[in-house]
Order: sequence, then C-alpha cells, then structure tokens
Amino acid sequence: SQQGEEDPQALSIQEGENATMNCSYKTSINNLQWYRQNSGRGLVHLILIRSNEREKHSGRLRVTLDTSKKSSSLLITASRAADTASYFCATDAQGTYKYIFGTGTRLKVLA
Amino acid sequence: GAVVSQHPSWVICKSGTSVKIECRSLDFQATTMFWYRQFPKQSLMLMATSNEGSKATYEQGVEKDKFLINHASLTLSTLTVTSAHPEDSSFYICSVSLGETYEQYFGPGTRLTVT
Repeated sequence: SQQGEEDPQALSIQEGENATMNCSYKTSINNLQWYRQNSGRGLVHLILIRSNEREKHSGRLRVTLDTSKKSSSLLITASRAADTASYFCATDAQGTYKYIFGTGTRLKVLA
Repeated sequence: GAVVSQHPSWVICKSGTSVKIECRSLDFQATTMFWYRQFPKQSLMLMATSNEGSKATYEQGVEKDKFLINHASLTLSTLTVTSAHPEDSSFYICSVSLGETYEQYFGPGTRLTVT
C-alpha cells in the first residue's frame, strides 16, 4: 500500500520550541494532507498541499512538499502545550478521493 | 470545511451481537464517505469507500459481509459490525470528501468495545 512513514515516531519538546515532523511516501500523489489527533478523538484537518505546490502556511504551521524526494514536512513554530497530539500525513491514491495515512508522530509539548 | 458527526460516540456490546454506527454530514451533501479503523497507538486504516446509492468499495482484507455499509442518502452512511468479536474492538472513524478539493473532514469517531 502507499502508506506514508513519518519520523520521528515520537517527539518531546519544550513549550516555545519548534517541532518538525517528516513524512515520506512511496508513489506519485496529487495531494498530501496533514491532520492532528488528540488522544481518543477524531482527526482535525490542518493543511492540504497539492503536488504542484512546494510550501503552504497556516498560522504557526508550515508545510513543505518535495515531490522529487516523495517527502513532506510539517513545522509547528512556537509550540504550545495544547499542540500535544498525534500528527498524521495522508496521501491520495492514484488521484482518487481515497487517502492512505502515515504511521504518525506523537508530539508532546512540555509546559 | 464540513461538519461530520458520528453516533454513538462509544458502545460496548457482547460478542456475537451486531452494532450499527452512523456517520452524518451535517452541512454538506456527500456522495462519498470513507470508513476507517484505528487500533490503539496505531494509524488509521481505510476500510471502505461508501458511495451514495451504490455498493461500498472495500479495501483488501476487509470482509464486506462482516462490515456492512449503507449510504442511503447524501448525508448519512452507516457501518454495521455484524457478529462482533473482541478483535473488532477498535476506534471507527468516518470522513467526508469535499470532492473537487479532495479535502477530507472527519467525524469524532466511535469507540467500540466487544466483550
């Protein structure tokens, strides 16, 4: 399957620091999305980046996409304790509406 | 984005019984919905694509007779776990596709525990 792999699997930082998570995938995509999931809850959509885009910003979030390396990164700047969650990337399968999720990064921001 | 609800938010059932989970798109007419399953501390695994007015498309390894999906209207898809067993205990999440933009919005999930 086209499941993305994320690294690190877990990340622990101090409040105010930046957090960077990486996602790699296997085949060509049209879109890549990042989601956040608080423990035991549903997913919150963060950013969608298309294959012809290289970078997108939303508030404290910055997403980059390198299609030549089949990788994406999510940067959270000036992290807060409330950013503590699991973060997943999801890539579409062959231009369909189906998305396959990566393994996720568990981020813990210490106050 | 779209607002998606699920009901129930959690359910406990006995082994051998069937459980129905509802997924509603509250502000968007969704021709396509998706059902995912997530085991503790793992990623989401796509189970099936639910298409309004037609049969669902199941991912490899997902038993269609065990996980019955009905998408009878543009705002409602249901997942019925038939003859549930303890190994079916999981977090089930649905999502709605916004079509052209390809963005997906997720429901809050349903935690199923089979005893």
